[in-house]
Amino acid sequence: AQKITQTQPGMFVQEKEAVTLDCTYDTSDPSYGLFWYKQPSSGEMIFLIYQGSYDQQNATEGRYSLNFQKARKSANLVISASQLGDSAMYFCAMRGLTGGGNKLTFGTGTQLKVEL
Amino acid sequence: SAVISQKPSRDICQRGTSLTIQCQVDSQVTMMFWYRQQPGQSLTLIATANQGSEATYESGFVIDKFPISRPNLTFSTLTVSNMSPEDSSIYLCSVEEPDRETQYFGPGTRLLVL
Repeated sequence: AQKITQTQPGMFVQEKEAVTLDCTYDTSDPSYGLFWYKQPSSGEMIFLIYQGSYDQQNATEGRYSLNFQKARKSANLVISASQLGDSAMYFCAMRGLTGGGNKLTFGTGTQLKVEL
Repeated sequence: SAVISQKPSRDICQRGTSLTIQCQVDSQVTMMFWYRQQPGQSLTLIATANQGSEATYESGFVIDKFPISRPNLTFSTLTVSNMSPEDSSIYLCSVEEPDRETQYFGPGTRLLVL
């Protein structure tokens, strides 16, 4: 079984500042993947970044980086230079990479509000 | 990444009726998934749809309520049957591209059942 915990229901950040969204996970799979998705008010789910448990380096995609600490089972999303368009719900998710399972398990999400 | 479209984008339906949601992908994919997101909640997987075989349903979801078709590698449908207000949700399809571990989502279908 897999579990994702996002303890921040809401976060505020000022424009151009950096913000960290927390995510911790639990799994018995020896190999797994961690994901972050952005969901604006329109409802679509936008893939942001992926980190494999076997990756030696933290993933980065433009202004997004994933602070992966395997021993602590955390996969925090860092957004640098926040923009007004970053205001959205952010979901952390994971899936096991062994045993043929493809199911994504999602956290409860963090609502991010970027202010002027 | 694959381009995914869904129809309809939103609908308002009466209790007891059924709605079929379509998911179209611009490339061939093996795995397609259907998720439900109830208001203010996270996403929950309904079922996995593979071409040429019956869909695999998650605990709490049954074929009679959510029949799924997967006639080819680029298309799938999800039907929400005998709807009640509790079925009001966003329904999203997703695909897993070949040789990739990432799932990409369609734009979603917002369903309101009165």
